[in-house]
Amino acid sequence: DQQVKQNSPSLSVQEGRISILNCDYTNSMFDYFLWYKKYPAEGPTFLISISSIKDKNEDGRFTVFLNKSAKHLSLHIVPSQPGDSAVYFCAASVSFGSNFGNEKLTFGTGTRLTIIP
Amino acid sequence: DAGVIQSPRHEVTEMGQEVTLRCKPISGHNSLFWYRQTMMRGLELLIYFNNNVPIDDSGMPEDRFSAKMPNASFSTLKIQPSEPRDSAVYFCASSPILGSGSNEQFFGPGTRLTVL
Repeated sequence: DQQVKQNSPSLSVQEGRISILNCDYTNSMFDYFLWYKKYPAEGPTFLISISSIKDKNEDGRFTVFLNKSAKHLSLHIVPSQPGDSAVYFCAASVSFGSNFGNEKLTFGTGTRLTIIP
Repeated sequence: DAGVIQSPRHEVTEMGQEVTLRCKPISGHNSLFWYRQTMMRGLELLIYFNNNVPIDDSGMPEDRFSAKMPNASFSTLKIQPSEPRDSAVYFCASSPILGSGSNEQFFGPGTRLTVL
């Protein structure tokens, strides 16, 4: 049972436009969310995160929005650049702020973003 | 820092053979994770360790899979006997000390396993 879902396997966006990647989750206990970016033949790298106490987090061209009532988060990239072409994974955990820390992440299946020059 | 190191990068083997994947986490990180990536299921957590102790192995698909972490700088994932459906990319990741306030994990480059 997929607790984190990325329903769009692929997305193509024109360079300079906004890219919006979506992610839905089913486990209401998730309280910390992350986006990872993955290039071919490399491991995923951390991009941006958000805790459940916020509804928005911004880092340069990247913004993550969290809608807890809808159990939905999205990653906005603006403006999109050719180097943004990669697979993007959404991940969630139940551990932020816990004493134990660094608990496991549950990942989605990924969305392949292609930026068209 | 060299980052998380995995070996081999590619492994091709025949069904029934034993396969051992290796991982060296980032120095000072106390959590280590093994993932498997497939098209259908994305990144699945197989097992993770904290301070070299296995915490959650519920993702290990079958008894054919086993993982060890004999010390803070080395872990192995073993498949015996291997089957064609085990073909996937296997990632190792590590994360920093407890209470760092971040759930960020640092991934290695992965091992692409092909079982014929």
